[in-house]
Formats: sequence, C-alpha cells, structure tokens
Amino acid sequence: GNSVTQMEGPVTLSEEAFLTINCTYTATGYPSLFWYVQYPGEGLQLLLKATKADDKGSNKGFEATYRKETTSFHLEKGSVQVSDSAVYFCALKTGFQKLVFGTGTRLLVSP
Amino acid sequence: NAGVTQTPKFQVLKTGQSMTLQCAQDMNHNSMYWYRQDPGMGLRLIYYSASEGTTDKGEVPNGYNVSRLNKREFSLRLESAAPSQTSVYFCASSDYRGDTEAFFGQGTRLTVV
Repeated sequence: GNSVTQMEGPVTLSEEAFLTINCTYTATGYPSLFWYVQYPGEGLQLLLKATKADDKGSNKGFEATYRKETTSFHLEKGSVQVSDSAVYFCALKTGFQKLVFGTGTRLLVSP
Repeated sequence: NAGVTQTPKFQVLKTGQSMTLQCAQDMNHNSMYWYRQDPGMGLRLIYYSASEGTTDKGEVPNGYNVSRLNKREFSLRLESAAPSQTSVYFCASSDYRGDTEAFFGQGTRLTVV
C-alpha cells in the first residue's frame, strides 16, 4: 500500500539557517505529493504540492522537487525565520485513493 | 468562503458519555476524512468517506461511528467516551482527483475525564 516516511524531529535551527526535511514515499501508480504545515493550535494547511515527476512546488520560500527516481519529496528553505516554527507533514495521494500522511516533523527556529 | 467547519471547538466529556462531532464543507468535495492527533504524534485516520453514501475504516476506527449525511456533512460519533479518546479531532475534505489537496477544519479539542 501507499506510505510516507519523514525524518524524525524535532529539527532545531537558528534563524537564517538552511532547512531540509526529508520525505520518501512508496506508492502504486503515479502519486501527487504534498507538504502541509500546522502552526500551533491550528489545523493543517497546504504549503506546496507537485503532481508529476520533476515538478517543483514552491511557496513562502519553501521548495520541494518530485524525484521519481529516488521516490523523494524533500522540503527545503534557504533561510528560515522564527515564524516558520511549526509541524510539517508530507503526504501523497494517488488517483481516487485517500490522502496518506507521514508522521510529521516539528521545526523549532530560535532567534 | 467558509471551507471546512467543525463544531464544537472544545468539549469536555465524562467517561461513558456520548457525543457527535459535526463537520461541513462548502467546496462540493466528494471525499471527507476524520483524523485524530495526539500530543507529539502525527495524524491517524479514523474514517474516510470517498463519496456520499460510502464510508471506510481507517487506522483507528474502534470506539467511533460516522455518518455521511449528504455531500456536505460528515459526522463522527463517540458512543461511550473513554479517556483514551482524549485528542484533537480534525475533519478534512478533498476532491476525488489525485492531484487535489485536502482542506482541513480548525479542529475539535476533546477531553474525556
């Protein structure tokens, strides 16, 4: 079945540091891939997505590239801010199947 | 545009009490989901509805029932609440197409004492 594996957290960084959160997946067919963000006390909201191989999703300075050859969708940001502190979830969806989430990675950014 | 609306936002129950969490979406989505999120943990799928009239169990369905009342509404019922059901519950909806994202409600924080 479909599954998503994310790196364990928390990830602790200083402001302006480079961020990478790893995400790999297993899926039948051709999934679409998503990153969601959850700020404290809130629901999840879509951060970015990519729907086919080699697509790059980007939003708010975050980027992720759909790598079919390595079945990966790593999240990156060149310079994190304190306001980026949140929990990040990688997810996939294939065809008419339900959305499948990873376990989430907490990011803590200190000034 | 309301998106996905959950009620209530907070609830405290005594062990053994029952309650229904309500969820409604106004985006004409086919699929709806109920998740629970425990402290320090990710999302766990309780039930899923691919379309009006259909429901499927997720990872942790025990102790819960659901009703897909119509295309807009998907309710989650706890028949006899237990302390292990203390959690934050999220409802979500999405279009059936594979390239479309899910939209989440703001969550219901449930405490069972």
